[in-house]
Amino acid sequence: NAGVTQTPKFRVLKTGQSMTLLCAQDMNHEYMYWYRQDPGMGLRLIHYSVGEGTTAKGEVPDGYNVSRLKKQNFLLGLESAAPSQTSVYFCASSVLSLRFYNEQFFGPGTRLTVL
Amino acid sequence: RKEVEQDPGPFNVPEGATVAFNCTYSNSASQSFFWYRQDCRKEPKLLMSVYSSGNEDGRFTAQLNRASQYISLLIRDSKLSDSATYLCVVNKGSARQLTFGSGTQLTVLP
Repeated sequence: NAGVTQTPKFRVLKTGQSMTLLCAQDMNHEYMYWYRQDPGMGLRLIHYSVGEGTTAKGEVPDGYNVSRLKKQNFLLGLESAAPSQTSVYFCASSVLSLRFYNEQFFGPGTRLTVL
Repeated sequence: RKEVEQDPGPFNVPEGATVAFNCTYSNSASQSFFWYRQDCRKEPKLLMSVYSSGNEDGRFTAQLNRASQYISLLIRDSKLSDSATYLCVVNKGSARQLTFGSGTQLTVLP
């Protein structure tokens, strides 16, 4: 049981390049999330998904796209990377709950640098 | 005003000390509250949920004051292994989203 995994762990891009970050979870969780973490800013939600085939915008969605074609995978895409997207990206997942907000389990993070 | 505010610290305390962290939140509709722990360059992990009546887990005690929109975390008998950043986390009103504070850094010194 690997929990939440993320690939790649590190990446350096040039401005204007594109890339996709992959998040996978093996806990059969309905909800999945993408966050970015910058110094002094805390984690900020980029996009999230409440089930296969559904996605929604979070607090800072601009410049990012996501897809959830399979329940266990949540992809984050950067179409044209900018230096402002240099950050640590965390994926998380949680169980479905209509009433309580359950623990989110995080992946190890992807450290992205855009030059 | 930030939705969740924490004193960034750093808090440097000797082993065995008691240390308290505070957090305030702005959304009065928030219903769920948590403390997460994040080690340097690692992912956040749930430390404990915070309940209205207050709750304890070993050396850790969490309190919630809804009227003042204030959350606290008390760590007793600090260990070296408690050194980490502690994140105050609040759900975003009725939405299925969490808002994270920027964290309070704790270093426990030998």
